[in-house]
Amino acid sequence: AQSVTQLDSHVSVSEGTPVLLRCNYSSSYSPSLFWYVQHPNKGLQLLLKYTSAATLVKGINGFEAEFKKSETSFHLTKPSAHMSDAAEYFCVVRNPNQAGTALIFGKGTTLSVSS
Amino acid sequence: GAVVSQHPSWVICKSGTSVKIECRSLDFQATTMFWYRQFPKQSLMLMATSNEGSKATYEQGVEKDKFLINHASLTLSTLTVTSAHPEDSSFYICSSRDQGQNSPLHFGNGTRLTVT
Repeated sequence: AQSVTQLDSHVSVSEGTPVLLRCNYSSSYSPSLFWYVQHPNKGLQLLLKYTSAATLVKGINGFEAEFKKSETSFHLTKPSAHMSDAAEYFCVVRNPNQAGTALIFGKGTTLSVSS
Repeated sequence: GAVVSQHPSWVICKSGTSVKIECRSLDFQATTMFWYRQFPKQSLMLMATSNEGSKATYEQGVEKDKFLINHASLTLSTLTVTSAHPEDSSFYICSSRDQGQNSPLHFGNGTRLTVT
């Protein structure tokens, strides 16, 4: 069975400071991992994905995440937060070997950015 | 790029009425469509998986007679909330994949349903 745990329900940072959103996963095989962002009243947008290639994945808007198998983690980071980064972020896992498999979402982390 | 169009974006209905939500894949064939529901301050939860031309597969705890899913064509899947009640108020979102199991999922913008 697969599962994903986002360790923080809410993270607050100041503009210009680093962002760290934590995610741990559980899977009996090598999963595909994703980070999605959901801005208020908008649909989900893919930030980045890991699919067994490079362990450090770069995404859009300056975000990146590192897949650490030994720690079963896939934390999302950004060196310098921007006000527009305030949103809800979801860590997601999927079984890449099963066709048509849906995504399993973490509970989400709300990122607040203050000026 | 591939787009999923979801309509309506928000709807308010009275208790006991039915609401239909549509998801269309605009420039790809959506063989499989996933329907999710998100309650306030909770994660997106998969409700059902619909496959074109066959019956949808519902997740445990999701009433198939209440949440009717139709996926009659490769570009359209619908979710009908029948006899809606206030506890059905939620954010519903669909997603589909272009082709191939490793291609990215594309999400609709979601539907905010409020049942009064």
